[in-house]
Amino acid sequence: DSGVTQTPKHLITATGQRVTLRCSPRSGDLSVYWYQQSLDQGLQFLIQYYNGEERAKGNILERFSAQQFPDLHSELNLSSLELGDSALYFCASSGGWGGSFEAFFGQGTRLTVV
Amino acid sequence: DAKTTQPNSMESNEEEPVHLPCNHSTISGTDYIHWYRQLPSQGPEYVIHGLTSNVNNRMASLAIAEDRKSSTLILHRATLRDAAVYYCILRDQTGANNLFFGTGTRLTVIP
Repeated sequence: DSGVTQTPKHLITATGQRVTLRCSPRSGDLSVYWYQQSLDQGLQFLIQYYNGEERAKGNILERFSAQQFPDLHSELNLSSLELGDSALYFCASSGGWGGSFEAFFGQGTRLTVV
Repeated sequence: DAKTTQPNSMESNEEEPVHLPCNHSTISGTDYIHWYRQLPSQGPEYVIHGLTSNVNNRMASLAIAEDRKSSTLILHRATLRDAAVYYCILRDQTGANNLFFGTGTRLTVIP
């Protein structure tokens, strides 16, 4: 158990809909990362937050947005969903800003768009 | 972020040591070398990281070349549970500190 909790574990929704994925980082971790992993694809970095502020953006679509709340949990919002958005979405957290901090990943949310 | 190069796949016999190489010729002085692995249908799992010196933990050892342009993850006795995709990643001590994953090395452990 990494200590990172993602909910829900599975989500099935229709095209055009909007969903929210939730991530609770390990206790005390200030940094949260979001990743997308499509079937048999690599992990694509989406976005990073540190103590409530956006720090870095990767290949995140404009239809996607995220935020980190004062209690440090984070939410990833996916809207106008398309079939191609079906993927595993992972959240990770780390204790600090620097490269000396390891990251811990949740078990992911499997999103299926039908 | 500096890039890393890893073999696409490797095989090992069960209970034998495994050496997983990673090249990072453009590494900067502030880059930490991190290793993660992803078992099938699971989230990535932290394995080990280091800056300049070799590192050991309960899971593995990390051997870093003197010029830091390459490193090797060592699993001392491979088990079937070690079959996974292993990712070598550089994390900058300064700056945005993103975790960019490449394609990694798929390790197959043969019983």
